[in-house]
Amino acid sequence: DQQVKQNSPSLSVQEGRISILNCDYTNSMFDYFLWYKKYPAEGPTFLISISSIKDKNEDGRFTVFLNKSAKHLSLHIVPSQPGDSAVYFCAARGQDDKIIFGKGTRLHILP
Amino acid sequence: ETGVTQTPRHLVMGMTNKKSLKCEQHLGHNAMYWYKQSAKKPLELMFVYNFKEQTENNSVPSRFSPECPNSSHLFLHLHTLQPEDSALYLCASSQVPMAGVDEQYFGPGTRLTVT
Repeated sequence: DQQVKQNSPSLSVQEGRISILNCDYTNSMFDYFLWYKKYPAEGPTFLISISSIKDKNEDGRFTVFLNKSAKHLSLHIVPSQPGDSAVYFCAARGQDDKIIFGKGTRLHILP
Repeated sequence: ETGVTQTPRHLVMGMTNKKSLKCEQHLGHNAMYWYKQSAKKPLELMFVYNFKEQTENNSVPSRFSPECPNSSHLFLHLHTLQPEDSALYLCASSQVPMAGVDEQYFGPGTRLTVT
């Protein structure tokens, strides 16, 4: 049973517009959430994270929002750029420090 | 070399072969990880090493055998694999996990095909 779910396998967004990637989780004990970005033929790279005690974290064009009551987080990218085309993984950390990843969402930025 | 490197990048092996995957991290980290990424599945944690000690074995079949001779090197020895073991095997490293800080740095992966 998946504890971290990314229900959209792919997403296409026009360049310059906002990209919103969603992630749901089932375990209320997760205390830390991370987003990773992966290009083809490369390993995932850390993008941004948020602690469960916060509801928002911003880093340049990237903002992550956490809604604990809904067990939902989202990654906003604005404005979207061609280099943002990649697979984005949502991940959550449990109390045993184990990180659990979602299946990923492939983001296509359209010219 | 910087970051996390993995060799080989691609590997094709028969079910009776024995091969090894190698990972090296140049970041001074103390924890190293093996992950498996199969098509349309989440990244699956296989093994965790902290200061060369194995702290996690996520119910991985014995045909996968990890080895961590020091905090910079990690191997995954493979023998008598099955076709369903074909996947991308990712190595990662991090500082020993600390509260609020747990960024893992990944290598590029080894694409394994078992025939």
